[in-house]
Amino acid sequence: SQTIHQWPATLVQPVGSPLSLECTVEGTSNPNLYWYRQAAGRGLQLLFYSVGIGQISSEVPQNLSASRPQDRQFILSSKKLLLSDSGFYLCAWSVLDSSTGELFFGEGSRLTVL
Amino acid sequence: KQEVTQIPAALSVPEGENLVLNCSFTDSAIYNLQWFRQDPGKGLTSLLLIQSSQREQTSGRLNASLDKSSGRSTLYIAASQPGDSATYLCAVRPGYQLIWGAGTKLIIKP
Repeated sequence: SQTIHQWPATLVQPVGSPLSLECTVEGTSNPNLYWYRQAAGRGLQLLFYSVGIGQISSEVPQNLSASRPQDRQFILSSKKLLLSDSGFYLCAWSVLDSSTGELFFGEGSRLTVL
Repeated sequence: KQEVTQIPAALSVPEGENLVLNCSFTDSAIYNLQWFRQDPGKGLTSLLLIQSSQREQTSGRLNASLDKSSGRSTLYIAASQPGDSATYLCAVRPGYQLIWGAGTKLIIKP
């Protein structure tokens, strides 16, 4: 069966510090991968999605970047965090080239920037 | 532009009741609609996925329906339990990206 792992679960970072959140998927090959952000009291915002290694699409101009160094690994990064980067970050995957497009989520990473 | 609306925003019912959560969307050109559940501080759990050619899907006490022509989906929860308390989100897929509703926060009172 497929599983998705996301870490760290919680982190508190000072403004201006770097960020690295990691997500890995097991039990499937060549998935679509997504990074979402969920701000307090707000809906889900798609930040990045990837259809393959090194292929990243950005949905919203921001202080963040994403990379996909391996087929089932997706990393969210920032060189210098802003207060507005605080939120709940969710990694998700779906099967590539499938008509179902069912989306599965990790447990999330809560980022607090102080 | 596709928009997804979930009504009500919050719902509180006694344990044991059957209940219906609503999701409406403005553009019927979708591949599928997915219902999720989110517990506080947790990720999203996929509950049901309905393809555009389907009318309903069932999983245990959950039944989701889809009426593309009217732009509506309902999530029916039978014999509600306190463990069903969570935020329920629906999302439609018009393309690679899902369009999300704001969710319904459900509280089941023991």
